Amino acid sequence: NAGVTQTPKFQVLKTGQSMTLQCAQDMNHNSMYWYRQDPGMGLRLIYYSASEGTTDKGEVPNGYNVSRLNKREFSLRLESAAPSQTSVYFCASHSSGNTIYFGEGSWLTVV
Amino acid sequence: DAKTTQPNSMESNEEEPVHLPCNHSTISGTDYIHWYRQLPSQGPEYVIHGLTSNVNNRMASLAIAEDRKSSTLILHRATLRDAAVYYCSTWGNTGTASKLTFGTGTRLQVTL
Repeated sequence: NAGVTQTPKFQVLKTGQSMTLQCAQDMNHNSMYWYRQDPGMGLRLIYYSASEGTTDKGEVPNGYNVSRLNKREFSLRLESAAPSQTSVYFCASHSSGNTIYFGEGSWLTVV
Repeated sequence: DAKTTQPNSMESNEEEPVHLPCNHSTISGTDYIHWYRQLPSQGPEYVIHGLTSNVNNRMASLAIAEDRKSSTLILHRATLRDAAVYYCSTWGNTGTASKLTFGTGTRLQVTL
């Protein structure tokens, strides 16, 4: 059972570089989310998407862009990475059935 | 979505029950109460959720206060594998996305 799949799992970037975190779910969920989790901290919502083609800002959207091109995929882009964006990123999805499914996380280090 | 408050950490001995509290005093009438847990180096996983009545599943029980302003996650017999961060959150079940936010959670330590 694939569930929510994130790539890459680990990435090291130099300050100013750009990259895209990919997320895909195979559960036909309408809603998808991107969170970041800093060491010893809780989850903070970056962006979410209610359905294909729609996105909304969460708690900490600055420095990120997202794209929901189809129902399965929701990508997170860092246009110009900064050390403050060093974090673990989690993608999640859910339907009206309440349970949220999370990916395994993407560990990003910006040097 | 309502803000939740949880203790930063709790400790338990193995095989003993654990009661993890959560305050959500601004919860709306239609919001569900959700609990997730996060094991080290993993993504959060679903534990349990409820609306008004107490709920039981194979992982835990959820006791919801009559005024719904607080709830308690009950692990009946803690094991070392239950050591994790437990997150309480509240949101509606409208079928559309909402800002699913989580607090800082409670770090549960389980000792022999």
